[in-house]
Amino acid sequence: GNSVTQMEGPVTLSEEAFLTINCTYTATGYPSLFWYVQYPGEGLQLLLKATKADDKGSNKGFEATYRKETTSFHLEKGSVQVSDSAVYFCALSSGSGNTGKLIFGQGTTLQVKP
Amino acid sequence: SAVISQKPSRDICQRGTSLTIQCQVDSQVTMMFWYRQQPGQSLTLIATANQGSEATYESGFVIDKFPISRPNLTFSTLTVSNMSPEDSSIYLCSVEETSWGSYNEQFFGPGTRLTVL
Repeated sequence: GNSVTQMEGPVTLSEEAFLTINCTYTATGYPSLFWYVQYPGEGLQLLLKATKADDKGSNKGFEATYRKETTSFHLEKGSVQVSDSAVYFCALSSGSGNTGKLIFGQGTTLQVKP
Repeated sequence: SAVISQKPSRDICQRGTSLTIQCQVDSQVTMMFWYRQQPGQSLTLIATANQGSEATYESGFVIDKFPISRPNLTFSTLTVSNMSPEDSSIYLCSVEETSWGSYNEQFFGPGTRLTVL
């Protein structure tokens, strides 16, 4: 069945460091891929998405490229801030034209220190 | 984007009791979903609730334990029945909404944090 695997956390970085959170997936067909973020005490928010191979999703300085050949969707940011401290979830949807059932990775906690 | 509210935001319950969680959306949506996030774990889909039809449950979740109502296009409830400490989780509802073109996005409510003693 479909699944998502994320790198284990927590990831601890200093402010302005480069961030990579790895995400790989297993899926049949052509899934859509997402990164969600959960800030402390808040609900889940969509950070970025990509709906087909080679698409690059971007938002708030974060980027992720849909790599079908490596079944990956790694999250990157060139310079993290303390305010980026949160839990990040990679997810996929196999629905065509709709999100349908989202399958989430286990989440990666990011801690950014000043 | 849809604005979703949930009630209660948190609760502490005794084992053997039931709790009903409400999810209210500020716009009409066809598809609503209920997820569970156990402590330190990822989100797991419990069921899909479409207005006018029975909810569709995922493997490992049954209607007797998690009955769902969907009386209209802006509201749904999830009941956690005969609770045990293993039901302690955050329960989230989400909705699917057309973002642009034909592509849909899923938006999440703030969650209900349930602790069962």
